[in-house]
Parts: sequence; C-alpha cells; structure tokens
Amino acid sequence: EDKVVQSPLSLVVHEGDTVTLNCSYEVTNFRSLLWYKQEKKAPTFLFMLTSSGIEKKSGRLSSILDKKELFSILNITATQTGDSAVYLCAVSNAGGTSYGKLTFGQGTILTVHP
Amino acid sequence: DAGITQSPRYKITETGRQVTLMCHQTWSHSYMFWYRQDLGHGLRLIYYSAAADITDKGEVPDGYVVSRSKTENFPLTLESATRSQTSVYFCASSEGPGSSEDIQYFGAGTRLSVL
Repeated sequence: EDKVVQSPLSLVVHEGDTVTLNCSYEVTNFRSLLWYKQEKKAPTFLFMLTSSGIEKKSGRLSSILDKKELFSILNITATQTGDSAVYLCAVSNAGGTSYGKLTFGQGTILTVHP
Repeated sequence: DAGITQSPRYKITETGRQVTLMCHQTWSHSYMFWYRQDLGHGLRLIYYSAAADITDKGEVPDGYVVSRSKTENFPLTLESATRSQTSVYFCASSEGPGSSEDIQYFGAGTRLSVL
C-alpha cells in the first residue's frame, strides 16, 4: 500500500520568514510526486516532480525530489499572508492500471501572520 | 471556460436517504476521480474512472456508487446515507495517458452533512 507522510502537520510563521515543508513516501513503482495548495476551496496544482535533484521553481515557491531517500521538500521564501493554506503532497504509482491515481498525505497547515 | 463543476455546493440530508453529488467537466478529460476529505485523513479516493463506462474502487468505496455514461459527467451516489459520510467531497479530472496524466484538477467541493 502506497503511503505519504507530511511534516510538520502545522506551522505558524510571520511574514517574511522562509519555510520548508517535508514529504516522505513509500510507493512500489514511483512515477511522480505532486504538490498542491488548498485554501478554503479546491486544491490547486503547484508542481509535479519526476526526477531527483531537479528544482522546480515558481516565484517564491520551489520544490525538489530525492528518489534515493524517498522525500521531497517544498520551500516558500519571504512568506506572505496569502501563503496561508494547507499544502498537500501526493504520489502516483506507475504499476498496473494506475489511471493517474494519486495517494495523498495528510497535509501541512501553514499559517502566516502579518 | 467552466472547467470542472460540482453541485450542489452544500447539502444537508438525513440518515438513510439517497443522495447524488454531481460532477461535470468541460475539458474532455479521460480520467475522473471522487475523493472525500476529513480532518486528519487528507484526501482519500472513493472511486475513479478511466473513461466512459469504466469505473473502479478506490481506498474507501463502501456505501458509494458511481456511474459514467458520458465522458463529461461522473455522479457519486450515497445509496443510504450514514453520519460517517458527513464530509467534504471533491471531484477531480486529469487528461489521461501522457506526460500530464498525474496532474489532477479539482472542483470546488460539496460539503455534505448527514443528520
């Protein structure tokens, strides 16, 4: 059974701080790891990672994957109150008839205070 | 461009009643998914569909039924609602086989309360 564990479960910071969110996984036949941001509505896609060591970047957000140690990190620099959200990590399994199914972690609740 | 829409957004029902949650996407995506989200559990897959008339169980299928007669619609039915099915339900879709197969796009969710 595929498994995704995120840490910390919650985090409170002040504007301007840098945060690192962690995602470790166990999957029998890894294909990709995805990060989503969820405010008080639908999760929205941030990044998809398939190769180790290649950083994906979008503005103040960046992410990297380590397929040897089976984890990924999501970094947010110079945090803003608009970054407050639940950040979800998910993995896909390439085995059998996967049909793009994802296994999600519990999420990290990030709160950014002014 | 409507994308993926769910209805209703909020629903209150009583135990034992049948409830159907609707999901409609305008992208002609092959794959569609239903999740429930509960505190402490993240998103858990209920059912998924690879194409019209092809559906399969996810992690927590008991008490739910799905159908997919048309590519764009993927309704989820609770045959006899129970209090444990109180949750937020998300529908999602993805393109299908290819490099973006794993990127799922989510609807706004349906908040269901079973009294």
